[in-house]
Amino acid sequence: EPEVTQTPSHQVTQMGQEVILRCVPISNHLYFYWYRQILGQKVEFLVSFYNNEISEKSEIFDDQFSVERPDGSNFTLKIRSTKLEDSAMYFCASSDLGGQGYYEQYFGPGTRLTVT
Amino acid sequence: RKEVEQDPGPFNVPEGATVAFNCTYSNSASQSFFWYRQDCRKEPKLLMSVYSSGNEDGRFTAQLNRASQYISLLIRDSKLSDSATYLCVVHGSYQKVTFGIGTKLQVIP
Repeated sequence: EPEVTQTPSHQVTQMGQEVILRCVPISNHLYFYWYRQILGQKVEFLVSFYNNEISEKSEIFDDQFSVERPDGSNFTLKIRSTKLEDSAMYFCASSDLGGQGYYEQYFGPGTRLTVT
Repeated sequence: RKEVEQDPGPFNVPEGATVAFNCTYSNSASQSFFWYRQDCRKEPKLLMSVYSSGNEDGRFTAQLNRASQYISLLIRDSKLSDSATYLCVVHGSYQKVTFGIGTKLQVIP
């Protein structure tokens, strides 16, 4: 069964450093997403991406964040200058347009980012 | 009012019981609705899409009420393996996605 993969599973970085989180979406999917989940809190939408463009982004996704699809398989999230409050689990998801116009998303296992 | 609201629980139910969760959403223009399941420290996994006509998959039934802006999930004959957090997810226009806080279910032997 196809699945979304993410690397690394755990990233530790110092405040102010840049990090890049990597995702390989399901191969025939066209829509890609990043989310974060701070421990004990709800899953928060960051950004959606389609046709090499950002479709929608949340208030969290400020100028410190960027996304890229550098080739036909990878989808990356870059945080330019990490802050302590960026510590969270980051999930990537992908979807295709399913029945009744629904975008059923499949999530990767997540990257746990720890900023020290 | 929160965009997507759920009772965080926990709901503690005995094996074999029927349990129901509700979720309300504030944006009447919301377009699609889902239930996801999340186990502790794992990724959300799609449980069901919630169509206007409702949706049933084995022991799980989901309903959508657009007029009252809520969706529901019914689990019949609860199993120990159903213990998890159930996330209500709402898609707005332009691919904006909102998750509820989740409702924690604990099925007790």
